[in-house]
Amino acid sequence: SQQGEEDPQALSIQEGENATMNCSYKTSINNLQWYRQNSGRGLVHLILIRSNEREKHSGRLRVTLDTSKKSSSLLITASRAADTASYFCATDGSGGSNYKLTFGKGTLLTVNP
Amino acid sequence: EAGVAQSPRYKIIEKRQSVAFWCNPISGHATLYWYQQILGQGPKLLIQFQNNGVVDDSQLPKDRFSAERLKGVDSTLKIQPAKLEDSAVYLCASSLYGEQYFGPGTRLTVT
Repeated sequence: SQQGEEDPQALSIQEGENATMNCSYKTSINNLQWYRQNSGRGLVHLILIRSNEREKHSGRLRVTLDTSKKSSSLLITASRAADTASYFCATDGSGGSNYKLTFGKGTLLTVNP
Repeated sequence: EAGVAQSPRYKIIEKRQSVAFWCNPISGHATLYWYQQILGQGPKLLIQFQNNGVVDDSQLPKDRFSAERLKGVDSTLKIQPAKLEDSAVYLCASSLYGEQYFGPGTRLTVT
C-alpha cells in the first residue's frame, strides 16, 4: 500500500510562477524525501527532511514538514520549463538502517514557457 | 561517479513467457532495491538487499517473481511466467546511507 498521498494530482503553471505540492502520510516516519521523475526516466532525489526538522531549503526548493498533521509540502520557486516532471514524496518509517521507502502516487507538474 | 545501470531498457513479451532484468548498483553501495512502477503510480518496493542478503521481500509475488544478488554487487530480477498486470517500469536503486539513487528503469510490456 502507498503511504504518501500527493496533492494535487496534476498542476499546470507558467514559467516564473511558484509551484506548491503537498503530501500526506499515515504512520510515523523517520524522514520524508522528495523525488523528481522526468518522463520515461528514473527518479532523482531532491531533498530529505528528518522527522525532527520543520523546514529545509535547497536552491529553489523549500520543504516543510508538520508531523502533527502528518503532512509535507514542496515549494518550487521561480519555476522553469525544465521543472516539468512528476514529483513524489516518499516516507521512511522503517527505523534502524533499513531505509525502506514508501512512495505516493505523485504530482504531475507542467511548467509552460 | 557512474550511476545505477539497468538493462534492458525496454522489453516486450507475451503473457506466460519469462523475462529477466539486470541491475548494477553504484560501486560501494551495500543496499540494493527493486521497485515496480505501474503507469500513473509511485514506485512500489518489491525487494531490498543488504549486500547479498534479503532484508525485505514482503511485497514480492514469490509465486512468479524471484531476485538474487549472489556476490553482493549486481542483481537480477526474474518474472516467470509473466502476466498482463506485470506491465510496468522496473526500477533498481542503490544506497549507502538513506538517499537512494535510481537507475533509468526497464519498461516491460506484457501482451
